[in-house]
Amino acid sequence: AQSVTQPDIHITVSEGASLELRCNYSYGATPYLFWYVQSPGQGLQLLLKYFSGDTLVQGIKGFEAEFKRSQSSFNLRKPSVHWSDAAEYFCAVEDSNYQLIWGAGTKLIIKP
Amino acid sequence: DAGITQSPRHKVTETGTPVTLRCHQTENHRYMYWYRQDPGHGLRLIHYSYGVKDTDKGEVSDGYSVSRSKTEDFLLTLESATSSQTSVYFCAISPGQPTIYNEQFFGPGTRLTVL
Repeated sequence: AQSVTQPDIHITVSEGASLELRCNYSYGATPYLFWYVQSPGQGLQLLLKYFSGDTLVQGIKGFEAEFKRSQSSFNLRKPSVHWSDAAEYFCAVEDSNYQLIWGAGTKLIIKP
Repeated sequence: DAGITQSPRHKVTETGTPVTLRCHQTENHRYMYWYRQDPGHGLRLIHYSYGVKDTDKGEVSDGYSVSRSKTEDFLLTLESATSSQTSVYFCAISPGQPTIYNEQFFGPGTRLTVL
């Protein structure tokens, strides 16, 4: 069955430190992969997406993600986090019915 | 930003009462979705629509029904609300074209409390 796993429920990093959020997927075909961010009390906003080509994709707000087929991973990274990055981050993969299969999310906490 | 509105934004109701949530889009997108979001569960798909009068069930459809009589509107109805349906409900839309990835755009959410 298709699935998305985000192993970390919470991650705490210091402001200015680097960040990596993990995402692993299970999907038989070439995956279309997404990262969304949800700020407190808000809807979800697309950060970046991968569907083909360069395996390192750039997104908004200085985020990037790398698709690694051999590891079935699509980890999100940012070299230096800002307090405004505190939010919940969701990874998703599109299935053959144009639906998104979602991970459970990772809540990012920023220490001053 | 994609033109998606949800109404109401907040609602408190009592167990056993019917509730209807509305999602309205101005993007003319083919696909519309209703999700619920609960702590520890992420987003779970309730129902979705792939065209006017064309709907299908998602992962957690029990106790919910939907209708789509116009491209721009997708209604979610709780026939008889229960406390387990207390949640935040999100509507999403997407073009659903088979040749491109299916990015979803989200509405602001509706917080529903069932007492």
